[in-house]
Amino acid sequence: GAGVSQSPSNKVTEKGKDVELRCDPISGHTALYWYRQSLGQGLEFLIYFQGNSAPDKSGLPSDRFSAERTGGSVSTLTIQRTQQEDSAVYLCASSFRETLGYTFGSGTRLTVV
Amino acid sequence: AQSVTQLGSHVSVSEGALVLLRCNYSSSVPPYLFWYVQYPNQGLQLLLKYTSAATLVKGINGFEAEFKKSETSFHLTKPSAHMSDAAEYFCAVSENTGNQFYFGTGTSLTVIP
Repeated sequence: GAGVSQSPSNKVTEKGKDVELRCDPISGHTALYWYRQSLGQGLEFLIYFQGNSAPDKSGLPSDRFSAERTGGSVSTLTIQRTQQEDSAVYLCASSFRETLGYTFGSGTRLTVV
Repeated sequence: AQSVTQLGSHVSVSEGALVLLRCNYSSSVPPYLFWYVQYPNQGLQLLLKYTSAATLVKGINGFEAEFKKSETSFHLTKPSAHMSDAAEYFCAVSENTGNQFYFGTGTSLTVIP
């Protein structure tokens, strides 16, 4: 596609439920990132995929968070047993080369009630 | 280790006045530096980037930034602020062999009519 697509754009879920957030990167982009942006906070790195290499999961805040990238394209971020502190905007970005910068999606706003 | 510091979480300027948003970085190797802008309820958009070519980088919407190695700075400027410049601005750094962007905490720019 022309840009990075994220779905859903908004998600309200009850505490304790699992959620899946989807990211469709730009076609041909080998690198894909997930970031989290909480209200009034900066961008928190979550996970990084590059081609067929093992992902860098060093930013995942707990074992309730996981992500996968199928076929080097679409990525899904899963949050299990959601907590209220998980409420944030989850941003996905992709790039062909890191030095060229990243293209961000519009994000998924997650609200845990 | 890399880090990015954005001085001033909130900056207010009058319409037509100079915009100066500060960014300092720490990096053990020559970095790649980026400024992103985030308009309300939107994703991040690349404003400009420095990748070891000219130290003065021009971006979109009349913004520019100057890489000063001696000061480890990459401040963003615009000679004359416009109402449409009101947004959140993020500085980011990446090493040329790194996997990850490191973002500052952001600066919210308000333009006063």
